[in-house]
Amino acid sequence: AQSVTQPDIHITVSEGASLELRCNYSYGATPYLFWYVQSPGQGLQLLLKYFSGDTLVQGIKGFEAEFKRSQSSFNLRKPSVHWSDAAEYFCAVGAGGGKLIFGQGTELSVKP
Amino acid sequence: AAGVIQSPRHLIKEKRETATLKCYPIPRHDTVYWYQQGPGQDPQFLISFYEKMQSDKGSIPDRFSAQQFSDYHSELNMSSLELGDSALYFCASSVTGIIDYNYGYTFGSGTRLTVV
Repeated sequence: AQSVTQPDIHITVSEGASLELRCNYSYGATPYLFWYVQSPGQGLQLLLKYFSGDTLVQGIKGFEAEFKRSQSSFNLRKPSVHWSDAAEYFCAVGAGGGKLIFGQGTELSVKP
Repeated sequence: AAGVIQSPRHLIKEKRETATLKCYPIPRHDTVYWYQQGPGQDPQFLISFYEKMQSDKGSIPDRFSAQQFSDYHSELNMSSLELGDSALYFCASSVTGIIDYNYGYTFGSGTRLTVV
């Protein structure tokens, strides 16, 4: 069965520091992978997605993610974090028919 | 650009009452998905509709039902509400048949249901 694991429940980084959020997936075929961001009480905003091709995907707000098939990973990165990046981040895998399976989420806090 | 519209934004109901949540997809989108996100939880897929027919079903309680109408909007009906139904309910829409649009869809802002 498809599944997504985000090992880090909560991460704190200093403003201006680099960020990497981990995501591991379990899927039999080539996965469709996504990162979403959610501010408190708000909806889910798509940051980026991977379907095929270049394994380094660029997204909005300066985020990027790299698909590594050998490690079943799709980690999210940002070179320099801004205070406004504080939010909950969800990794997701397409599970057929448009359905998404989400990881448990990683809460990002940003220190001034 | 038009987005997915959900109403109401907030809803407070008592136990055993009924609630109806509405979702208006992006124009020309033919598929609607419903997700439930409990407090501190990840979103869980409930059900989806394509061209007014149920296309997939997830962990949706029997007390819940949903349908998609001819104008492609969808309604999620929840009866005999329980305290555990308190959650954020998201709707999303896409165009089935086009991979780029099947996934990575944008969610609506959600309906926050509180059962007291």
